[in-house]
Amino acid sequence: DVKVTQSSRYLVKRTGEKVFLECVQDMDHENMFWYRQDPGLGLRLIYFSYDVKMKEKGDIPEGYSVSREKKERFSLILESASTNQTSMYLCASSFLIAGGGHYGYTFGSGTRLTVV
Amino acid sequence: GENVEQHPSTLSVQEGDSAVIKCTYSDSASNYFPWYKQELGKRPQLIIDIRSNVGEKKDQRIAVTLNKTAKHFSLHITETQPEDSAVYFCAAILQGSSNYKLTFGKGTLLTVNP
Repeated sequence: DVKVTQSSRYLVKRTGEKVFLECVQDMDHENMFWYRQDPGLGLRLIYFSYDVKMKEKGDIPEGYSVSREKKERFSLILESASTNQTSMYLCASSFLIAGGGHYGYTFGSGTRLTVV
Repeated sequence: GENVEQHPSTLSVQEGDSAVIKCTYSDSASNYFPWYKQELGKRPQLIIDIRSNVGEKKDQRIAVTLNKTAKHFSLHITETQPEDSAVYFCAAILQGSSNYKLTFGKGTLLTVNP
């Protein structure tokens, strides 16, 4: 099975801190994604990456940046954490088979971040 | 871009009853529709998916139907059990394009009462 591993299950950070959330996948997937999940709002895409050093903004990129220096690792960075960034953060990875085969979208277990 | 609407946001059923969750999508070109189940405190996991070249797919107690003309698809769970209690997300994407990301609905909290 594909494993998508997020480095921390729970994090508590102070307002204004720089925060790094790490995600590693072990199946050589090209695509990686960062979502935040809030009650009643579902899964909202922050950023995604379809190749090393490539990144694209999702639906809610403000206040976040990302880094993908290696294919297996995708980092989400909160440059200056704020209380409205308290949320569950989910990483996912996927690959796309030519001709429309199975998409393979797999999630990590999530990091619950609290900013105080 | 694609937009996916999901209803209802919450659903409560008695054990043994059926549950139906409905989603509509906006992009008629979308051709792959997965459903994810997220149990409390756990990651979303794929439970069933359907491609646009079929109208229905079943896997034991769960089934998904797709109406391309109306641009909606539904998840059906029969003989519900307490362990079916979870948040369910539908999603849509045009596979095979340069689009890499699934568009998710906002989720349905299903509660199965013993």
